[in-house]
Amino acid sequence: DIQMTQSPASLSASLGETVSIECLASEDIYNNLAWYQQKPGKSPQLLIYYASSLQDGVPSRFSGSGSGTQYSLKINSLESEDAATYFCLQDSEYPPTFGGGTKLELK
Amino acid sequence: EVQLVESGGGLVQPGRSLKLSCLASGFTFSNYGMNWIRQAPGKGLEWVASISSSSSYIYYADTVKGRFTISRDNAKNTLYLQMTSLRSEDTALYYCARQAGYFDYWGQGVMVTVSS
Repeated sequence: DIQMTQSPASLSASLGETVSIECLASEDIYNNLAWYQQKPGKSPQLLIYYASSLQDGVPSRFSGSGSGTQYSLKINSLESEDAATYFCLQDSEYPPTFGGGTKLELK
Repeated sequence: EVQLVESGGGLVQPGRSLKLSCLASGFTFSNYGMNWIRQAPGKGLEWVASISSSSSYIYYADTVKGRFTISRDNAKNTLYLQMTSLRSEDTALYYCARQAGYFDYWGQGVMVTVSS
């Protein structure tokens, strides 16, 4: 199975700041990487797919990049509504595997 | 609007069975692969099972293989997960999710608690 190592596990930032979250795959996943946002009591919402494609309706302050085994999610100009847990997912091969999550707290 | 609504969860004793359903609307159900994904309380996400649009391809996580069965009824726009020989470690919120490679739409989830 492909292991997804996500970092950091938690993050505290201020409104207006820019943050990055990383996912490292145990092998090449050929950009088959998605990012999700999950708020307490809610289901995950797709932000980014194919490493860098923005899902319809997602604010442009979210962006994804990377290739091979290393991927990142960047959130520019943090807003209060961005407080959430973020997960990466690889769907390059079965079984699909998720990163452990990053809890983003707004100061 | 894509909607996925899970049902069938509840409290069940270890070793017993439970069947989850996911009713889909707002898209052509028969055109998409579907998945079950679970999240134990306070934990991360774990993919459980996947079924292709015509049920030709089915995959399971090793943790549920031989105990869980995924199926679908395209005429009823419904996805199922038959769970048998349930264990305490199966306790989780179970989501159904539409597959477009990645999982693009998720239901709100249904809770399954396995406890005596």
